Amino acid sequence: AQTIHQWPVAEIKAVGSPLSLGCTIKGKSSPNLYWYWQATGGTLQQLFYSITVGQVESVVQLNLSASRPKDDQFILSTEKLLLSHSGFYLCAWSPTGGDERLFFGHGTKLSVL
Amino acid sequence: SQWGEENLQALSIQEGEDVTMNCSYKTYTTVVHWYRQDSGRGPALIILIRSNEREKRSGRLRATLDTSSQSSSLSITAAQCEDTAVYFCATRQGTGSKLSFGKGAKLTVSP
Repeated sequence: AQTIHQWPVAEIKAVGSPLSLGCTIKGKSSPNLYWYWQATGGTLQQLFYSITVGQVESVVQLNLSASRPKDDQFILSTEKLLLSHSGFYLCAWSPTGGDERLFFGHGTKLSVL
Repeated sequence: SQWGEENLQALSIQEGEDVTMNCSYKTYTTVVHWYRQDSGRGPALIILIRSNEREKRSGRLRATLDTSSQSSSLSITAAQCEDTAVYFCATRQGTGSKLSFGKGAKLTVSP
């Protein structure tokens, strides 16, 4: 069975500090990977998308970057946090080959103070 | 209905009642996803309905899709307290990788 693990579960960071969030998918080879952001009480906004190692597509510009260093790992980061980065960050994966289902991790709650 | 600039829709019902949530989308799609999100958790797919299905059932859930009006609905029959969650519809806007989510509907089922 496939599992998706996000870390950390929660972060409290200062404005201007760096950030790194991670996501690992086990039990699935070469999945499509996604990062989503969700404001409190809001909808999900897709940030990045990756179909293979080393390739990441940016969907929106929020002073964030993403990388896929391994087939099963997706990293979200920034060198300088803004207040507006606060929210809930969700990693998701989907099978390849036209299967459109998205499977989400438990998310990381980020508070920027 | 979800989508557009509306705020998160809030629905409150009693256990045993039926409820329907609506979703309209802006551009042509061949599939509509419905997800539920429990508080503090990631969303989970509950129904995926394709344009050739018009209606799809899963237990007490029923989804419909009307491509001519670009709308979909999710109905829950005899709602239970455990159905309390936020429900989102999502579609792919044309070709490509972006899956766009609606604003969501917060359903509260009381005993």
